[in-house]
Amino acid sequence: KAGVTQTPRYLIKTRGQQVTLSCSPISGHRSVSWYQQTPGQGLQFLFEYFSETQRNKGNFPGRFSGRQFSNSRSEMNVSTLELGDSALYLCASQTTGGGAGYQETQYFGPGTRLLVL
Amino acid sequence: QKEVEQDPGPLSVPEGAIVSLNCTYSNSAFQYFMWYRQYSRKGPELLMYTYSSGNKEDGRFTAQVDKSSKYISLFIRDSQPSDSATYLCAMSYTGRRALTFGSGTRLQVQP
Repeated sequence: KAGVTQTPRYLIKTRGQQVTLSCSPISGHRSVSWYQQTPGQGLQFLFEYFSETQRNKGNFPGRFSGRQFSNSRSEMNVSTLELGDSALYLCASQTTGGGAGYQETQYFGPGTRLLVL
Repeated sequence: QKEVEQDPGPLSVPEGAIVSLNCTYSNSAFQYFMWYRQYSRKGPELLMYTYSSGNKEDGRFTAQVDKSSKYISLFIRDSQPSDSATYLCAMSYTGRRALTFGSGTRLQVQP
């Protein structure tokens, strides 16, 4: 079974621009979460989508947004980029997202490395 | 204070050594505990998953959870140079729908 895929893998942008990152979850997984990883802050949760609805959101400014499509694929967008947005952006997928026997286990993609100049 | 504390290392051990990696946490609601391995410039890879307290073994890896002490551990037996990576603990609880990670411990296994 194919794993989580993320595109693009690398991206260079300048301050003030916006960027859109894409994630395709593992086949059959309906929940997609996004995380930001930086050397200083580690892995931090951005938001989670299930059945095209955002169910949970981390402590990030409104410049960070996302969406999920009917095929479970997800995109995240960062507007008005700042230097501090340089990070590895990781997408993770999990199965049903709830219910009896549910495991809060997430499987990560390789990430998109964003550099803001 | 962070919800999950993890010693960043680096931890350097000779090949064949037993490695012990640990995390402490403050939120007693955490029920699900995971260990991820992350190689340089790659995404985290799930190694071990444990629900509530107890031990779980998978090959050379053993995960332990002590909820009374809010302390989790990962043991690696017969460590190999290929185990050199950053190890991240992560935890969650039903309904949270997000993982809280430790900062990661960088492990180097010397041949």
